[in-house]
Amino acid sequence: AQKVTQAQTEISVVEKEDVTLDCVYETRDTTYYLFWYKQPPSGELVFLIRRNSFDEQNEISGRYSWNFQKSTSSFNFTITASQVVDSAVYFCALSEMIYNTDKLIFGTGTRLQVFP
Amino acid sequence: EADIYQTPRYLVIGTGKKITLECSQTMGHDKMYWYQQDPGMELHLIHYSYGVNSTEKGDLSSESTVSRIRTEHFPLTLESARPSHTSQYLCASRAGQGYNEQFFGPGTRLTVL
Repeated sequence: AQKVTQAQTEISVVEKEDVTLDCVYETRDTTYYLFWYKQPPSGELVFLIRRNSFDEQNEISGRYSWNFQKSTSSFNFTITASQVVDSAVYFCALSEMIYNTDKLIFGTGTRLQVFP
Repeated sequence: EADIYQTPRYLVIGTGKKITLECSQTMGHDKMYWYQQDPGMELHLIHYSYGVNSTEKGDLSSESTVSRIRTEHFPLTLESARPSHTSQYLCASRAGQGYNEQFFGPGTRLTVL
């Protein structure tokens, strides 16, 4: 069955530290997409990145970077030089396509707290 | 970037009341979704729609109902609210083709007393 595991429930760091959020997934599909979303205290989910199963190139966007490794079924997210504004809950998700329906399978989220 | 709106943002009501949570999007997206989010953060899909007059139940059983009469509008209704319905409700939409990302509204935080 499709599943997304975010083993880190909560992480606390001090500003300017680097932090990596782990995401491990399970799927039988050969074609799938992985996503990261950020949920700040205001409550809305903000889309960060989408990655398809055929593209294992790492991606960097400013202080954010993502490491996708099919061999270990992982899609980890690193924030470099963290800032207080990075404090949020981060969700990893897997796009599932079964019987012509599509759903996002979310992990349970990692709460990141960045202290000044 | 999708524009997706939810009203009200916060709602406190008494048990037994009928309520409708509104969700609208202006991007012409065919697919829309409702999620319920626990205080412990986990998101559960409760309803989704692939277009006008299409509605399906999600993975988590819910006493709510939805309708999709117009592409841009996907309201969720609780006929008789109970304290167990207290939660955050998030609406999302996405373009119909491929594996595009879902865009989320700001959420409605519902408290039933």
